[in-house]
Amino acid sequence: AQSVTQPDIHITVSEGASLELRCNYSYGATPYLFWYVQSPGQGLQLLLKYFSGDTLVQGIKGFEAEFKRSQSSFNLRKPSVHWSDAAEYFCAVGPYSGAGSYQLTFGKGTKLSVIP
Amino acid sequence: DTEVTQTPKHLVMGMTNKKSLKCEQHMGHRAMYWYKQKAKKPPELMFVYSYEKLSINESVPSRFSPECPNSSLLNLHLHALQPEDSALYLCASSQEFRGQYNEQFFGPGTRLTVL
Repeated sequence: AQSVTQPDIHITVSEGASLELRCNYSYGATPYLFWYVQSPGQGLQLLLKYFSGDTLVQGIKGFEAEFKRSQSSFNLRKPSVHWSDAAEYFCAVGPYSGAGSYQLTFGKGTKLSVIP
Repeated sequence: DTEVTQTPKHLVMGMTNKKSLKCEQHMGHRAMYWYKQKAKKPPELMFVYSYEKLSINESVPSRFSPECPNSSLLNLHLHALQPEDSALYLCASSQEFRGQYNEQFFGPGTRLTVL
């Protein structure tokens, strides 16, 4: 069974500082990996995804992530954080279930706070 | 239209009530999902529908009854819920394209409170 570990429950950074959120996964085959962001009381928005190919993935809002198979990691980075980035961030992995459906497993999330 | 809509936004119900949550998408996606999210926890998969057929049921209690009347609509019927069922219920959809999975699009959720 697949699993996702996000080691940091809560991270606080200053506005303008760089950010790295960690994600480690356990999965038997080549994983499909995702980062989602959730603002309080809202649904989830996809930041970026990795299916195959280039291991450095660019996403929305200036985020990027790097897939490292040897370390089973998919860490999320942003060079300069904005106050609006404060939210909960979820890493997810999932196998293809067939017929267009997917079975995502989420990490416990990392809450990002931004200091002005 | 790249949106998943959910109604209602908020729902308060008693333990003897019957209510339904509704989810709609017009992106032509053929897979639709229900997730349950408790406060400060990640979403947990409840059900997956693929081509209007239930393909995954993650051992969800029978007081939750999903229904997919057509390819755009997904319902979750609620009956005799418990206070511990209070949570944010999220709907999502996705589409296969040339044998490849595409990401799940999530709706804003329905905040359910069971009294």
